[in-house]
Amino acid sequence: LAKTTQPISMDSYEGQEVNITCSHNNIATNDYITWYQQFPSQGPRFIIQGYKTKVTNEVASLFIPADRKSSTLSLPRVSLSDTAVYYCLVGGANAGNNRKLIWGLGTSLAVNP
Amino acid sequence: GAVVSQHPSWVICKSGTSVKIECRSLDFQATTMFWYRQFPKQSLMLMATSNEGSKATYEQGVEKDKFLINHASLTLSTLTVTSAHPEDSSFYICSEAHQETQYFGPGTRLLVL
Repeated sequence: LAKTTQPISMDSYEGQEVNITCSHNNIATNDYITWYQQFPSQGPRFIIQGYKTKVTNEVASLFIPADRKSSTLSLPRVSLSDTAVYYCLVGGANAGNNRKLIWGLGTSLAVNP
Repeated sequence: GAVVSQHPSWVICKSGTSVKIECRSLDFQATTMFWYRQFPKQSLMLMATSNEGSKATYEQGVEKDKFLINHASLTLSTLTVTSAHPEDSSFYICSEAHQETQYFGPGTRLLVL
């Protein structure tokens, strides 16, 4: 059974870089890797998406090794407002391919002053 | 990213009544939308995939006669919880698919008394 595994929680301090790794050993060839941020009582917010190698945008970087069995979300210089739950999602929204969406259980990140 | 709204943001109802939740795509025509349920401190659980102009595809274990989904237009999908019971109390979130990415609504908190 395909699944994604990520740490339950992490602690950090303001200004530090935070790396959250997700394992997805059974990722399918046409699956994408997407990370979301969620605050309490809000819908998840898209952070970044990738298929292979490295992707960078204005808020994060996503590192994906060649075998694609894991991925690492990197948040540079976190602030208190980055305290949230971060989810790893493997799959794709293109329902025409009838693929499964596999969500991780989420990593609760606490950023301390 | 895409902008998705949900209405209502929260609802309290009596056991046995039906509740309709609307999910609107504000800036994009969404052929595919997803409906999720999230219990406290848990990950997102995909309930169904809503396809414009056709029947929704329900995940295993989700009763299609209890959770009615209608996607009559490219900008609106609705989820109706029929004969709601206290165990249906949860956070319901919709998302729209844009290529391989999902963009989420703000969620609807349902409390059934």
